[in-house]
Amino acid sequence: NAGVTQTPKFRVLKTGQSMTLLCAQDMNHEYMYWYRQDPGMGLRLIHYSVGEGTTAKGEVPDGYNVSRLKKQNFLLGLESAAPSQTSVYFCASSPSSYNSPLHFGNGTRLTVT
Amino acid sequence: GESVGLHLPTLSVQEGDNSIINCAYSNSASDYFIWYKQESGKGPQFIIDIRSNMDKRQGQRVTVLLNKTVKHLSLQIAATQPGDSAVYFCAEIGNNDMRFGAGTRLTVKP
Repeated sequence: NAGVTQTPKFRVLKTGQSMTLLCAQDMNHEYMYWYRQDPGMGLRLIHYSVGEGTTAKGEVPDGYNVSRLKKQNFLLGLESAAPSQTSVYFCASSPSSYNSPLHFGNGTRLTVT
Repeated sequence: GESVGLHLPTLSVQEGDNSIINCAYSNSASDYFIWYKQESGKGPQFIIDIRSNMDKRQGQRVTVLLNKTVKHLSLQIAATQPGDSAVYFCAEIGNNDMRFGAGTRLTVKP
């Protein structure tokens, strides 16, 4: 099993450009999450989904949108990238709510110039 | 808001020694705690977890201790190996919310 797969691994954007990060999991997990990781800070939740067709805001949702059209996929979109969105983005999944460990992908390093 | 913190940002140990990584939490409602390991360029990887009805839990070479009185969590790694070099961080879960600490970088010297 591949677990949680994120694409792309690296991306450089100019301010104002848009992009979509793709997350795919093959564990049939209901819950999926998008986090950002910045130096000296813990992971911060951007958006999450409790099942196919559902999305919800996390701690830092501004500037991002998400979609969960299929159970195995969770997309994170940046409509107009800003330098403050330079970060490492991690997708995670879990079989249920916060009662079990999250399974993380290997991240996407995004730089916005 | 309440947050999870770590006492030390870096820890350097000799290969073969035991390592102890600490974590303080402030949400008294937290009832589930997880330790993750993150190697350079990779995503966090689950190591061990513990629920609030336990004080200690052991895995392979790792032990987690929970002191609810002082809201303190620790990860002990026995016979630390070079492959243990990574960033370790804790997560606390309570009220259907998960918060992560910033992490401690463990370096193992040969």
